[in-house]
Amino acid sequence: GESVGLHLPTLSVQEGDNSIINCAYSNSASDYFIWYKQESGKGPQFIIDIRSNMDKRQGQRVTVLLNKTVKHLSLQIAATQPGDSAVYFCAEKYRGYSTLTFGKGTMLLVSP
Amino acid sequence: EAQVTQNPRYLITVTGKKLTVTCSQNMNHEYMSWYRQDPGLGLRQIYYSMNVEVTDKGDVPEGYKVSRKEKRNFPLILESPSPNQTSLYFCASSHNPAGGTYEQYFGPGTRLTVT
Repeated sequence: GESVGLHLPTLSVQEGDNSIINCAYSNSASDYFIWYKQESGKGPQFIIDIRSNMDKRQGQRVTVLLNKTVKHLSLQIAATQPGDSAVYFCAEKYRGYSTLTFGKGTMLLVSP
Repeated sequence: EAQVTQNPRYLITVTGKKLTVTCSQNMNHEYMSWYRQDPGLGLRQIYYSMNVEVTDKGDVPEGYKVSRKEKRNFPLILESPSPNQTSLYFCASSHNPAGGTYEQYFGPGTRLTVT
């Protein structure tokens, strides 16, 4: 719900702009990464994933970039729309484990 | 429709009164998990289950119990709720991660308030 957005970093963009949401992950041994979108009052929804043997992966209007050197992950959203307004979470999977560790999230606000 | 359902969606209770939050999925997923979400802390895993009768602790298991008697159901039990368990709870499911997929499907959430 709306309380999830408290204390989160916020990115504000205009409709039609490209958005870039960043995520610093913690474990250099992580071998899988995933982005989720959470709209107000709903559960997280899968956007895109990437394995550590890749640098880039593209989906529909979204691109995930992985920089293992600096342990950085980014989600690029092309032609951002008001419906993209949500909290975005990255998550990592440590090698040898089967569970995901989630980041704290970034709120994306898109103005018409 | 493929989905994860949780009940109740909202619950206000008092300290010490046992409660159960149910979770059910209709996708024949092996893996199920419970998370709590708190402002500023993100999603933290409580318990997970790789398959029927197999459960493991996540990052914040204290004060919670789970069971996995059937593949589709994964209830979360609070034997003696306390105010610090006031939170937004999510159930999630996925195919067996050993198959290389970790995409989890989340339920709509249960907002629990313990007074």
